[in-house]
Amino acid sequence: DADVTQTPRNRITKTGKRIMLECSQTKGHDRMYWYRQDPGLGLRLIYYSFDVKDINKGEISDGYSVSRQAQAKFSLSLESAIPNQTALYFCATSDALPGTSSNEQFFGPGTRLTVL
Amino acid sequence: GENVEQHPSTLSVQEGDSAVIKCTYSDSASNYFPWYKQELGKGPQLIIDIRSNVGEKKDQRIAVTLNKTAKHFSLHITETQPEDSAVYFCAARDRGSTLGRLYFGRGTQLTVWP
Repeated sequence: DADVTQTPRNRITKTGKRIMLECSQTKGHDRMYWYRQDPGLGLRLIYYSFDVKDINKGEISDGYSVSRQAQAKFSLSLESAIPNQTALYFCATSDALPGTSSNEQFFGPGTRLTVL
Repeated sequence: GENVEQHPSTLSVQEGDSAVIKCTYSDSASNYFPWYKQELGKGPQLIIDIRSNVGEKKDQRIAVTLNKTAKHFSLHITETQPEDSAVYFCAARDRGSTLGRLYFGRGTQLTVWP
């Protein structure tokens, strides 16, 4: 089984609808991230979480909210979806502190969201 | 925050040739520079990384070099193969980030022609 899973994998919705993207991990990592990928723009950070009590905005948090329900679960919500939120969304996890040897972020398979 | 620029945005090479992707960063405090490979339909995956106390690191056909003075780092792939075709992202993390936050470049689409 995959270590980082995302549901749904694909979603088509209409403008104004509320959408929730879910991420689960079995790696036991404390840190979780939500990124958005658009062609030519790379990976942009939406929100990140240090642990279940910690939520931080990334560079493009407007229009999004998150919930860290447990160490293993981090959900991204679009309260009222708009067409320019059409993108590929990735969840990622990481474990080690910056000073240690491992800093790898592990990405899920992505959710392709289309807002009509 | 950190600003990472990546060039080129697309790169096509013949199988067996070398490929080089270059990145620059703005924050001299950054101390960790990973490279991720994203295959079609998948999430990015770490392929190699380098820390600011090292100038070069190799892993079989891939290598990364770092020039701290110029604030740039590069990915080198030798003897390219069709399976190297993917999108490659560079990233940087600043020393002050306690959450391991990475700043990514915009990506390079590498195509290796057989």
